[in-house]
Amino acid sequence: DAKTTQPPSMDCAEGRAANLPCNHSTISGNEYVYWYRQIHSQGPQYIIHGLKNNETNEMASLIITEDRKSSTLILPHATLRDTAVYYCIVRALYGQNFVFGPGTRLSVLP
Amino acid sequence: DAGVIQSPRHEVTEMGQEVTLRCKPISGHDYLFWYRQTMMRGLELLIYFNNNVPIDDSGMPEDRFSAKMPNASFSTLKIQPSEPRDSAVYFCASRSGATEAFFGQGTRLTVV
Repeated sequence: DAKTTQPPSMDCAEGRAANLPCNHSTISGNEYVYWYRQIHSQGPQYIIHGLKNNETNEMASLIITEDRKSSTLILPHATLRDTAVYYCIVRALYGQNFVFGPGTRLSVLP
Repeated sequence: DAGVIQSPRHEVTEMGQEVTLRCKPISGHDYLFWYRQTMMRGLELLIYFNNNVPIDDSGMPEDRFSAKMPNASFSTLKIQPSEPRDSAVYFCASRSGATEAFFGQGTRLTVV
């Protein structure tokens, strides 16, 4: 079973920041938080991952709370192409597989 | 690298026929995963391999499903005989050690 809880859907205006929350209250000390997204009809795409420090790459930023029980994925300037289902996953670095929950369906509106 | 390559992209077959899905992982990756995605159940892990050896096949729905990885650059998922409830998108993914998993574009299977 997935170890994370995400809102089923969110809307965001184009050009604004999209903030996608994720709760992972049972996360273990050796588990990382990963974010993937799936654009319609495509395979899931890796976005970012982190352990306890905030992370940023060319796609997004990941903010993890100090107690590590929740995190937020931030898309700083959402575009229509960011419309997708976003999955938050917790997994040990050398864990065996990724367990996908239902994710959050983000709709970026013009 | 061209990424994880799956074939065919679309497959339509009649109930009772054998179906074979193919996957070429990213070169150098030692883990390979097969997932199935349906509207009802979302993304489910079917089986994964490490260094060509099946490690966990507990997600394989029943004996009609089988997967092989004869070498590091090729894997197949076979359904025999196929049934309409097998209709889904099947994804293959690969990774190396602690890296993130990279997914193929999937095979959309329709069994009529």
